[in-house]
Parts: sequence; C-alpha cells; structure tokens
Amino acid sequence: DGGITQSPKYLFRKEGQNVTLSCEQNLNHDAMYWYRQDPGQGLRLIYYSQIVNDFQKGDIAEGYSVSREKKESFPLTVTSAQKNPTAFYLCASSARGGIEAFFGQGTRLTVV
Amino acid sequence: GDSVTQMEGPVTLSEEAFLTINCTYTATGYPSLFWYVQYPGEGLQLLLKATKADDKGSNKGFEATYRKETTSFHLEKGSVQVSDSAVYFCALRNQAGTALIFGKGTTLSVSS
Repeated sequence: DGGITQSPKYLFRKEGQNVTLSCEQNLNHDAMYWYRQDPGQGLRLIYYSQIVNDFQKGDIAEGYSVSREKKESFPLTVTSAQKNPTAFYLCASSARGGIEAFFGQGTRLTVV
Repeated sequence: GDSVTQMEGPVTLSEEAFLTINCTYTATGYPSLFWYVQYPGEGLQLLLKATKADDKGSNKGFEATYRKETTSFHLEKGSVQVSDSAVYFCALRNQAGTALIFGKGTTLSVSS
C-alpha cells in the first residue's frame, strides 16, 4: 500500500535533548511538509521541501531542522532550542503539480 | 498574506441534524480549496476539494461550493451521523502551489 509513514507514534524525551521524527513516503511525491498541531491553533507549517536536497522554512521553523537527502524521506529534528516542543507533529506529501496533500498518522511528542 | 478563517467550535448536534461549518479565505489569484477531516489521534484525511470558482466538491454526503464572490467554502451535510464526530479543517493551496494553509479547525460532536 502506498502512503506516508511516521514513526514513532508516541515519543517522550527529556528537556534539553534533541529528537528526530521520521517521515517516509512511497508515493513518489516530490514535495514534503512538516506541520505542528497544538490545541486550538490549527496546523502551522514548520518546513517544506519541493525537491531532494532543497528545503524552505515555514512559519515556525525556529528550533527545528530538516534534511532531504532522499526523495522518500524527510526527517525532522526538534532541537533543544525549541522552547515548547510538546505537540502533535504531522508530515505530508504532494505530487509535483498536485494540489492536495496526503498526511501521515502523526507523532505525538512529549517533553518532560 | 493568504489565510483561512473558519467558525469556532465545538459544534454539537443530534444525529440526523443539518450541518454547516463556515469557512472564508483571503488569497490572491485563484487558490484551490479543501476540507480535511481528522479523527482522534490520527492524521488528516482529504474530505473534498474544489479548484475553481463555482466548483462543488462532494464526498460521503458532505458538500462545499467554491464561492469566489464571497471568498467562501462552507461545508454542509444534510444529515449527520455519530461517526461524523471529528475535527474539520478548511484549507487553501495558493496559486503558486507552494503552500497549503489551514484554518484552526472546528470540532464536531454528534450524539445519538
């Protein structure tokens, strides 16, 4: 089955530690996105990539980093510089020229 | 910049009631418009879309019409079911295709 896989589903980390969230897709999509979801805030764009080895900051990129070394993978690192990292993180992808995005099941990150 | 505004929830209805969730947008040019649905603990699923003025998107009994003159894309369903309980997001893809912008989401709760 084609789709987007995010792992793990739940993640717990201690304050001050960096953590990497995985996102893999086998849809052969060029574009990939990371969103953060907080209660009552909707989805806010962290980073997006339209092609391998290239990515752009979204609205709330501070404290996050990404890489896009392979078309199918777009990992997100939440660094210790992110002041409030506890949230639900969603990865999405879309085809070149496509207008709709397909989402993974999300990773809930809790920092204690 | 481009933005989406949708009615705040929660919306609480009895089974078989009529549903309307309002959505208006601000964007230059001719964006594509979407409704996504999110069930508890899951990612987002595309519910319906419309790509040009006067288009009507429909799926699973839900409908929305792209109204350029009122910059609106209201979601409607004639008879809701308990299984429709979820969070609904209105979104737009800007004309350049580089960004997918979401509203804050509306929680729908349907009781039997």
